[in-house]
Amino acid sequence: NAGVMQNPRHLVRRRGQEARLRCSPMKGHSHVYWYRQLPEEGLKFMVYLQKENIIDESGMPKERFSAEFPKEGPSILRIQQVVRGDSAAYFCASSHRDRFVIHNEQFFGPGTRLTVL
Amino acid sequence: KNEVEQSPQNLTAQEGEFITINCSYSVGISALHWLQQHPGGGIVSLFMLSSGKKKHGRLIATINIQEKHSSLHITASHPRDSAVYICAVASRIIQGAQKLVFGQGTRLTINP
Repeated sequence: NAGVMQNPRHLVRRRGQEARLRCSPMKGHSHVYWYRQLPEEGLKFMVYLQKENIIDESGMPKERFSAEFPKEGPSILRIQQVVRGDSAAYFCASSHRDRFVIHNEQFFGPGTRLTVL
Repeated sequence: KNEVEQSPQNLTAQEGEFITINCSYSVGISALHWLQQHPGGGIVSLFMLSSGKKKHGRLIATINIQEKHSSLHITASHPRDSAVYICAVASRIIQGAQKLVFGQGTRLTINP
């Protein structure tokens, strides 16, 4: 049973380009969370998605960032017109959603390290 | 003040020592995670707990809900335990789904 998969593991972009980060959840998981870890800072929540729905995007920057989790295929975190300050490690995590469980454990992917030149 | 505070921020010890990392939080939670992150590496979940104590090998995690405090202990520490240990509390989004709020992490170095 493969774990959470993210690709690419490393991504280099020049300022102004677009970055697309992909996350394939664990088999059977339909909920995805994206977190960002800026250099020398702690992890921060960005967005929580279910299939075809954004449930909570309170941690997403207001501009240039978007996320989706289509019915088929991986979840995508998209950053348009990247700037140097976007350089960070981006982690996704996936979980079940059992409504009768207060907390469904999240399983993390290996992360994508984005470097903006 | 951060919602999740860890101490110490950095910890260096000799192989074999007993290690304690502390985590205090100021929000209501449904669960608390201890995570491990190696340099340049991914994040591994060590424990998820909502009460009491859990043990896995040389690792022990405890939580006191009333005091809003958790500790991670490592017995007989080894250089391979060197990593960043992160405390994260689960903040409810909707029933069955929570976002994690993370501490800043504790960088642990175990010298041989």
